[in-house]
Amino acid sequence: EIVLTQSPGTLSLSPGERATLSCRASQSVSSSYLAWYQQKPGQAPRLLIYGASSRATGIPDRFSGSGSGTDFTLTISRLEPEDFAVYYCQQYGSSTGLTFGGGTKVEIK
Amino acid sequence: QVQLVQSGAEVKKPGASVKVSCKASGYTFTSYGISWVRQAPGQGLEWMGWISAYNGNTNYAQKLQGRVTMTTDTSTSTAYMELRSLRSDDTAVYYCARGGLTAARPGDYWGQGTLVTVSS
Repeated sequence: EIVLTQSPGTLSLSPGERATLSCRASQSVSSSYLAWYQQKPGQAPRLLIYGASSRATGIPDRFSGSGSGTDFTLTISRLEPEDFAVYYCQQYGSSTGLTFGGGTKVEIK
Repeated sequence: QVQLVQSGAEVKKPGASVKVSCKASGYTFTSYGISWVRQAPGQGLEWMGWISAYNGNTNYAQKLQGRVTMTTDTSTSTAYMELRSLRSDDTAVYYCARGGLTAARPGDYWGQGTLVTVSS
C-alpha cells in the first residue's frame, strides 16, 4: 500500500498570502496519478486537482498542483477567505487501491 | 446536473450489517464507476473501494476485504455499499463519489454523506 504523508499538519496564514502544501508518497506514484481535495466542515470533499497538475472543472486558477514520483505540491497563490479548509492528497495509481494522506488544515492566522 | 443522493443516517448494534445507497442522476450511470469513502468523527478520509457501474468489477481496500460488498442496480442508477460485522470503529460518515469506469479514479461528484453510528 502506498502511504501518503502530508505536511505541515496545520498551516496558519492570512488572506492574500501564498499557501504551499506538501504530499510525499512512500513509493513512486505511477503516471502522476495524484489528486487533491478540499473539505470544509460538514461538507463532502471537493476535487481540486487530478493527474498531479490538472484543475478539475470550475476550480479557480489560484489553485495549482505540481510534482511527480514521490513528491507533490498544492499551491494556493493568494488565499481567499473561502480557501480556509482541510486539504487531502490521494493517489490512484496503485492496483491495490487508492489511499489518502492525513490532511493539512489551512487556518486563518 | 450530476447528483448523488445517499440514504439516511443509520444506527446499528455491533455485529450487525448496514447497507447504504447512492442514487445517481444527471449522467449516464453505466459510463462511470462509484467509489466509497468514509470519515470517522474528527478524522481523515479512508477509501473503502470502487465498483464499475458498467460491468460490476470491484476493487476493495484490503483492510475491509471480506466485510464489504459493493453492488449496483443499473435499472435505478443506484449503487450500494454493504458493511457487515460492524464494530464501534466503523462509526463514520460514508460517502459515495463518481469515479472511473474501468478503474478507481478521483471522485468528481460526491454524495452528501450518510452517518452510520455503531453503538450498543
